[in-house]
Amino acid sequence: SQQGEEDPQALSIQEGENATMNCSYKTSINNLQWYRQNSGRGLVHLILIRSNEREKHSGRLRVTLDTSKKSSSLLITASRAADTASYFCATDRVGQGAQKLVFGQGTRLTINP
Amino acid sequence: DGGITQSPKYLFRKEGQNVTLSCEQNLNHDAMYWYRQDPGQGLRLIYYSQIVNDFQKGDIAEGYSVSREKKESFPLTVTSAQKNPTAFYLCASRSQGSYNSPLHFGNGTRLTVT
Repeated sequence: SQQGEEDPQALSIQEGENATMNCSYKTSINNLQWYRQNSGRGLVHLILIRSNEREKHSGRLRVTLDTSKKSSSLLITASRAADTASYFCATDRVGQGAQKLVFGQGTRLTINP
Repeated sequence: DGGITQSPKYLFRKEGQNVTLSCEQNLNHDAMYWYRQDPGQGLRLIYYSQIVNDFQKGDIAEGYSVSREKKESFPLTVTSAQKNPTAFYLCASRSQGSYNSPLHFGNGTRLTVT
């Protein structure tokens, strides 16, 4: 079953604009992670936010986490054509014991030059 | 450089044949995972292993088998019992002992069965 649901499924913006993607989940989590996937390649880890954190930054990335609403957002500022990729959220659920990450279906981001 | 190597990149098989996908890592990670990705979809967990000689089924294990005889290697066999084997298969690993560690992925094997 899918834990994370990304929104929107696809996003197309102009270079230089900011891109915001959202992720909702259903059960309590230890942490939430965002990954990027270029077409036909493996996923690359971007950022991890723990359940007791509310906001985290890494370069042009900003992630927020609202555990009361069971949601997270990923903001990419000053987008570049090279940011074109699919972005996935993944949750590390509480009580799983086996450290399984569960992925959402992703947001396909297109940056138009 | 440390990383995960999946081979081959592309694999073609006839229906009814078993096929084994290779995954090797030199990151010294205890935990390894196999995911399946269908076009435009997210990742679904097939099998995972937290330690050598031990592995557990994920959400879609039917028609697949794995082994974990060495820490570095976690091969996946797609058997003839898997009804829709054509997909993109991703192997990943992570360090054990902490929930707050990211997954490291290989670049995938695209399997086509006709």
